[in-house]
Amino acid sequence: GAVVSQHPSRVICKSGTSVKIECRSLDFQATTMFWYRQFPKKSLMLMATSNEGSKATYEQGVEKDKFLINHASLTLSTLTVTSAHPEDSSFYICSAGQGPPSYEQYFGPGTRLTVT
Amino acid sequence: AQSVSQHNHHVILSEAASLELGCNYSYGGTVNLFWYVQYPGQHLQLLLKYFSGDPLVKGIKGFEAEFIKSKFSFNLRKPSVQWSDTAEYFCAVKERGAGNNRKLIWGLGTSLAVNP
Repeated sequence: GAVVSQHPSRVICKSGTSVKIECRSLDFQATTMFWYRQFPKKSLMLMATSNEGSKATYEQGVEKDKFLINHASLTLSTLTVTSAHPEDSSFYICSAGQGPPSYEQYFGPGTRLTVT
Repeated sequence: AQSVSQHNHHVILSEAASLELGCNYSYGGTVNLFWYVQYPGQHLQLLLKYFSGDPLVKGIKGFEAEFIKSKFSFNLRKPSVQWSDTAEYFCAVKERGAGNNRKLIWGLGTSLAVNP
C-alpha cells in the first residue's frame, strides 16, 4: 500500500511557541490530505481537510488561526500549531487521499505533541 | 448528518474465541464502508472496505465484514481471534461518489483485548 510519513514523530515544546508537523505521501500524489487529532482511547477527530493549492477546510470548533495548514505540493502538507498551550498536547495524525478509483486514505504514523 | 455507532467500546476475549464488532451508520444515501485497525504503538491500517458488489467482504488477517443495507450495518467478524489481534478497531463511512476530498465519518472505536 501507499506510504505516508510524518515528521517529527515526537515533539516537546514550551507554551507560547509554535511547532510544525510535516505530512508526506512518499509514493503517490495526494491532492487531498486530512489532519486528525486523536485523544487517549478516543476516536479520531477530523481537524481539517487540506487541498493542494487552496485553503484548508476546517471543521467546526477548530481554530484556523491556531492550527495553520499549508498544502504546497501534491506530496506535502504541514500543520503548524501556533502559540501552543498545554491543552494542545495530543496525538496528531495525517492521512493522504489517493485518487480514483479507490479514493482510499492512507495514514501517517502520527506525531505526539507535548506542550510544557 | 452522518454518524457512525460502534456498540462495543471494550471487548475482552480469550484466544480462539469468535469475534463480532458492531457498526451501524446513519445516512440515507449510498456509502463506502471501512474498518481500520490500530495496533498498540502503530498507525492506522485498513482492514477491509466495502464499495459495491458482494456484501460479504474479506479483509486481511482473517477478518470479514458483512454489509446489511436494510440494517445500515457493517459488522466485523473473525471466527478465531489471536493474541496479536489486540488493538483498537474503528468503523468509518464515506459518502460514495463524492471524490477524494470527502471526509470519513468515524465511530468511537472498540478496544479489543485478547488474552493468551
